[in-house]
This record gives sequence, structure tokens and C-alpha cells, in this order.
Amino acid sequence: ETGVTQSPTHLIKTRGQQVTLRCSSQSGHNTVSWYQQALGQGPQFIFQYYREEENGRGNFPPRFSGLQFPNYSSELNVNALELDDSALYLCASSSGPEQYFGPGTRLTVT
Amino acid sequence: GIQVEQSPPDLILQEGANSTLRCNFSDSVNNLQWFHQNPWGQLINLFYIPSGTKQNGRLSATTVATERYSLLYISSSQTTDSGVYFCAVLGSGNTGKLIFGQGTTLQVKP
Repeated sequence: ETGVTQSPTHLIKTRGQQVTLRCSSQSGHNTVSWYQQALGQGPQFIFQYYREEENGRGNFPPRFSGLQFPNYSSELNVNALELDDSALYLCASSSGPEQYFGPGTRLTVT
Repeated sequence: GIQVEQSPPDLILQEGANSTLRCNFSDSVNNLQWFHQNPWGQLINLFYIPSGTKQNGRLSATTVATERYSLLYISSSQTTDSGVYFCAVLGSGNTGKLIFGQGTTLQVKP
């Protein structure tokens, strides 16, 4: 059974640029959630996708957007990057109440 | 919204010692998970424990939902137990939003 995978592992972008992060869900899971974790903090919920529809959203601006594909993989897109967007971005997949996390993408905005 | 508080924030142990980490939450919950975040950032699932007691090797957890707290016990700690331990509960509504505490940073010294 393949776990949750994310790509890329690290990324450096310049303020104002756009970025796309990718997540492949664990086999059999139809739900993907995205979280942002700033240094020294707990992860913060960005949004969740269930069967290609956004199922819930946290307190993040519209420049954070996402997609889920028919194979349940997902993308997180962030436009107009700001310095505060520098963080670890975690993807979690689930088919029930328990969520399983990928290794994360560490984004640095300079 | 639901508040999640973890204590202590930091813990330093000698190898072989036992420890108890606590998670308090402000409202009734149907979902509680404990995670260990390794030095590379990946969140490892330890327990899904909305109520009751579970054990997995040297680790065990107890959730008393009616009193709004959960405990994670680590016995005979090893240096590989070092890292940050998070508890997370499911927010209200059907959004799949996990609300994390601030974490307990554990350092086990040889």
C-alpha cells in the first residue's frame, strides 16, 4: 500500500510569484486536506477536497486555491506569494475520520 | 471554535524514563488523533482515539471525552522518540478540519 506522497520536497520562490504543490493520496482514500505549518506552530487547515469538490475551507485568502482530480490526487496553488507564505505545506488523505499525512513540501519565499 | 491546548510545551528526559503528555480541548469532539512529527517534518500517526484507551508497544493513549482531555504515555523512552508530539481534534461541521494543539517538544537524551 502506497502512502501519501507530495512533490516537490523543497521549493524556493520569489515574492509575487505563483506556486503549485502536488499530493497523491493513499490508495483507497477519496479525501484530501491541505495544511500550512509555520515554524514552531501546529498545522493550520487550508481546505479539504472530497470527490473533486471543496468540502471546507479554513481562514486563508482566495489566492490559496486547489483542485482534486478523478484519481483523488490534488494540487494546492498559491498566487501572489508573500513572505509569510514561507512554511511547510502538508497534505493528508483519508477515507474516514482518521487523516494520514504526507512528508510535506517546504516552501521558502524570498 | 474548538481550542486545543497541550502541555508541557517542552520536555527533556533521560533515555529509559517515562512521560505523560496532555491534551485539553474546549468542546466535545468525535475525533482525536495523536501524531509524532519527525525532524524532517512528517507527521506520523500514533493513535486515533476519540475515547477510551489504546496501546501500541511502549506508547499508550487515553481519551476521556466527557472531561475533554487526552493523555499520551511514553514508557522507557528512547532517543528516537525525540520530536514534536501533536494532538488534533476534528472541528465542528463536516469540513474535515483538524485543529491542532501547539505541540509538545520532547528531547530524549542518551
